[in-house]
Amino acid sequence: GDSVTQMEGPVTLSEEAFLTINCTYTATGYPSLFWYVQYPGEGLQLLLKATKADDKGSNKGFEATYRKETTSFHLEKGSVQVSDSAVYFCALSDHNFNKFYFGSGTKLNVKP
Amino acid sequence: EAQVTQNPRYLITVTGKKLTVTCSQNMNHEYMSWYRQDPGLGLRQIYYSMNVEVTDKGDVPEGYKVSRKEKRNFPLILESPSPNQTSLYFCASSLDLLSDTQYFGPGTRLTVL
Repeated sequence: GDSVTQMEGPVTLSEEAFLTINCTYTATGYPSLFWYVQYPGEGLQLLLKATKADDKGSNKGFEATYRKETTSFHLEKGSVQVSDSAVYFCALSDHNFNKFYFGSGTKLNVKP
Repeated sequence: EAQVTQNPRYLITVTGKKLTVTCSQNMNHEYMSWYRQDPGLGLRQIYYSMNVEVTDKGDVPEGYKVSRKEKRNFPLILESPSPNQTSLYFCASSLDLLSDTQYFGPGTRLTVL
């Protein structure tokens, strides 16, 4: 079945550091890929998405590229801020089976 | 304001006492879904609905029921809750599956004693 694997956290960085959170997936078809962010005490919010191979999703300085050859969708940001501290979830949607699959989440702590 | 609402936000109950968690969206979305979030496991899909009267199982449907009698509402029913259903529950909706972007409710923290 489909699945999403992302790096375990927590990840602790200093402000202005470079961020990478790895995400790889297994899917039978051609899924869409997402990064969602969850701030403390809140529901998830879409951060960015990509719907086909080689697409790059971007938002608020975050980027991720849909790499079909490596089945990856790594999240990057060039300079993190304290306000980026949250839990980040990689996810995919399987159009063949009408389902969504989420990774286990990676907690990011950014220190001033 | 476009939103997904869930009630209650917090619930403590006892084993075997039937409960319902309501979910409502005001965006005229066709696709709705329930997830549970557990530490180290991320979100797992319980049930989803493609449209009114169309529901199907996600990855962890055991012990849950849903119904979709109206487009805006998608309640989650636990007929006989057990302690292993203690979790944080999220309802989500999207215009349709192909548009992909899901909008999440604020979550319901359920404790079953």
